[in-house]
Amino acid sequence: GEDVEQSLFLSVREGDSSVINCTYTDSSSTYLYWYKQEPGAGLQLLTYIFSNMDMKQDQRLTVLLNKKDKHLSLRIADTQTGDSAIYFCAETPGVQRALTFGSGTRLQVQP
Amino acid sequence: KAGVTQTPRYLIKTRGQQVTLSCSPISGHRSVSWYQQTPGQGLQFLFEYFSETQRNKGNFPGRFSGRQFSNSRSEMNVSTLELGDSALYLCASSSATGDGYTFGSGTRLTVV
Repeated sequence: GEDVEQSLFLSVREGDSSVINCTYTDSSSTYLYWYKQEPGAGLQLLTYIFSNMDMKQDQRLTVLLNKKDKHLSLRIADTQTGDSAIYFCAETPGVQRALTFGSGTRLQVQP
Repeated sequence: KAGVTQTPRYLIKTRGQQVTLSCSPISGHRSVSWYQQTPGQGLQFLFEYFSETQRNKGNFPGRFSGRQFSNSRSEMNVSTLELGDSALYLCASSSATGDGYTFGSGTRLTVV
């Protein structure tokens, strides 16, 4: 079945860039998403990319997709303490199909 | 534009009881999905409804069920609760464009 993997933890200093990585196994993945979850809250959609794209930039966020290696990354520029949260990578093969999530990467931003 | 609304936010139930959770999607969204989040299993897909029909179902026992009403609001029901059903239950709604699933804040269910 489909599998999405992420590293569990990342620690950066405030002002640095953060790069969160994700690998997936489903070659039919069409839509790939990044979600953010703060303590006690639901999931906030940060950004998404379609499989026919290599890169997408949205303000401080840059998503890179290497479809050949099935590797997705999220770069957060100028990381702030408010960026401390758990970040989930998710994929789906089609619109309104089930999302398969990674286990989440906990980002800790040190002042 | 109002977001996805889930009620209640918190629930405490006893083993063997049943529970109903509610989700109101973003206006205009006809697809509603439910996910279970636990520390051990992470985020797992329960089921998805579109126009009152269940289109997709995850790998959960029949004690987990759901429905969707004509106004796209959805409910999920868990019968004969077990301790392992303690989790954060998240509802998401989406349009037909693939530009993302908007999640609610979740219902935290504790089974004692």
